Amino acid sequence: KNEVEQSPQNLTAQEGEFITINCSYSVGISALHWLQQHPGGGIVSLFMLSSGKKKHGRLIATINIQEKHSSLHITASHPRDSAVYICAVGLGGSEKLVFGKGTKLTVNP
Amino acid sequence: DTAVSQTPKYLVTQMGNDKSIKCEQNLGHDTMYWYKQDSKKFLKIMFSYNNKELIINETVPNRFSPKSPDKAHLNLHINSLELGDSAVYFCASSQGYLSTDTQYFGPGTRLTVL
Repeated sequence: KNEVEQSPQNLTAQEGEFITINCSYSVGISALHWLQQHPGGGIVSLFMLSSGKKKHGRLIATINIQEKHSSLHITASHPRDSAVYICAVGLGGSEKLVFGKGTKLTVNP
Repeated sequence: DTAVSQTPKYLVTQMGNDKSIKCEQNLGHDTMYWYKQDSKKFLKIMFSYNNKELIINETVPNRFSPKSPDKAHLNLHINSLELGDSAVYFCASSQGYLSTDTQYFGPGTRLTVL
């Protein structure tokens, strides 16, 4: 079992919908990252969280350390949000990142 | 002005060959990484260097050898290529080596071994 589990694996939405992608992890962590991989393959870091909540434009990321869970929300989704969203955690005591398998989001116009 | 660049973007080669992938960052970062993304899009760390010193060396066949001539460059040399080495290889960099540091990724190198 992977230390980082994401759900759903695939998500299709209509433009304008509110999107939630979930990430659960099974071990103590020092940090959690959300990344976006564009259809062309490029990877961009969206957020780094160690507690609480962060917001950037239409994207909101939250983390609950006690429940070992994080969510990435997209408000007013747009076709250009179509991408694979990847959760990665920094394991406590290790500086390497362990990645989830990603959530493929498709937003239809 | 590309922050993290990799060459080549595509690499097609025969089994048994030796090949190298180059990575350069112009962000002034101290730490660089190599990741492998398999056919199922799963990313996994291979190596990490901080100030030219190897700090993460995952369970990778010793056919893979990273080389960091300076802080701005981290190259990956692969000997005796195998079919299973086919993947996309991403280079990344960050200011520090902590897991809280934001990483900046290169565009990836798609390696196909025939």
